[in-house]
Amino acid sequence: AQSVTQLGSHVSVSEGALVLLRCNYSSSVPPYLFWYVQYPNQGLQLLLKYTSAATLVKGINGFEAEFKKSETSFHLTKPSAHMSDAAEYFCAVSDSGEFGNEKLTFGTGTRLTIIP
Amino acid sequence: ETGVTQTPRHLVMGMTNKKSLKCEQHLGHNAMYWYKQSAKKPLELMFVYNFKEQTENNSVPSRFSPECPNSSHLFLHLHTLQPEDSALYLCASSQTTGGSEAFFGQGTRLTVV
Repeated sequence: AQSVTQLGSHVSVSEGALVLLRCNYSSSVPPYLFWYVQYPNQGLQLLLKYTSAATLVKGINGFEAEFKKSETSFHLTKPSAHMSDAAEYFCAVSDSGEFGNEKLTFGTGTRLTIIP
Repeated sequence: ETGVTQTPRHLVMGMTNKKSLKCEQHLGHNAMYWYKQSAKKPLELMFVYNFKEQTENNSVPSRFSPECPNSSHLFLHLHTLQPEDSALYLCASSQTTGGSEAFFGQGTRLTVV
């Protein structure tokens, strides 16, 4: 079974500082990996996804993630945090189902707080 | 209207009530999902529908009954719920192609009293 582990349920960074949110996955096959963001009282919005085309994936809002097979990691980074980045972030791995649909397995999430 | 729409956004119900959650997607996707999001827990996949057919039920109690009349609409019928069923229920849809991302609705915040 596939799984993801997000290290750190809460991360605080100062405005303008580097954001690093960690995600490690477990998968028996080359995975599809996703990062989603959730703002309060909202659903999940896709930030970026890895589908084996390139190991460095750029997403929305200045975020990017690097797939490292040797480390089974897919950490999310942003060079300079903005107040609007405060949200909960979820890493997910996909087990493409029998019918080709995505059965996403999510991590427990990391709440990002930005310090003014 | 575009994307995935869920109604109602908030629902309070007693343990003896019967209510339904509705989800509609305007993206032309063929797969739809129900997820449960509880505090301090990972998102839990509840049900998966492909081309209107249920293809997955993750050991969900029978007090939750899904219905998918067509590829654009998904319902979750609720009856005799328990307080521990209080959570955010998220609907999502995707293409039936490997690597396709899921698009989520804003969720229904359910409180069982």
